[in-house]
Amino acid sequence: GAGVSQSPRYKVAKRGQDVALRCDPISGHVSLFWYQQALGQGPEFLTYFQNEAQLDKSGLPSDRFFAERPEGSVSTLKIQRTQQEDSAVYLCASSLPGGLNEQFFGPGTRLTVL
Amino acid sequence: QKEVEQDPGPLSVPEGAIVSLNCTYSNSAFQYFMWYRQYSRKGPELLMYTYSSGNKEDGRFTAQVDKSSKYISLFIRDSQPSDSATYLCAMIRAGNNRKLIWGLGTSLAVNP
Repeated sequence: GAGVSQSPRYKVAKRGQDVALRCDPISGHVSLFWYQQALGQGPEFLTYFQNEAQLDKSGLPSDRFFAERPEGSVSTLKIQRTQQEDSAVYLCASSLPGGLNEQFFGPGTRLTVL
Repeated sequence: QKEVEQDPGPLSVPEGAIVSLNCTYSNSAFQYFMWYRQYSRKGPELLMYTYSSGNKEDGRFTAQVDKSSKYISLFIRDSQPSDSATYLCAMIRAGNNRKLIWGLGTSLAVNP
């Protein structure tokens, strides 16, 4: 399939552990977005890349959250010293550049912090 | 107060009913308005988007935007059990890197 893929689909971490969540965007999509969706809530914007440049990281909730996209393709969202409030589904979306191009979403990674 | 308000429901209707879903917003800078559908354990998928005020129709779906009232709606005609999902509204401010601001989502069940 040619959609956005995310791995792992499910992750259980003990409080204090570091986790890394991966996103493979649609080939040719230069824009990449990360969102956090808590249970029963709408997604909340975390950060946005255009190619390898992180143009907006205003939604990252603390300095424990870090995202990178070093080669302008695959992106990793890293959460250090996880806390229970980090439990959520982390969604990745990609889109073509320019204008109002549709953001295509992956299935998300469900993170549970115990 | 959140920038985008949406009643989470749940909403339960019989098959064939007309469904009305709504969002209100507080920031007049929003210019692009979207409706996404999200099935359980899946990512959101775009149903429709509109720019500024007006109506847009696509098959059984109609999206309406009333900027004067800061109110948007999605209507689903002849609803089907396969329409059972969570429906999220989302908006973008002009010149804001396409960062989506979302409502809570409304859970819809269409009963056969």
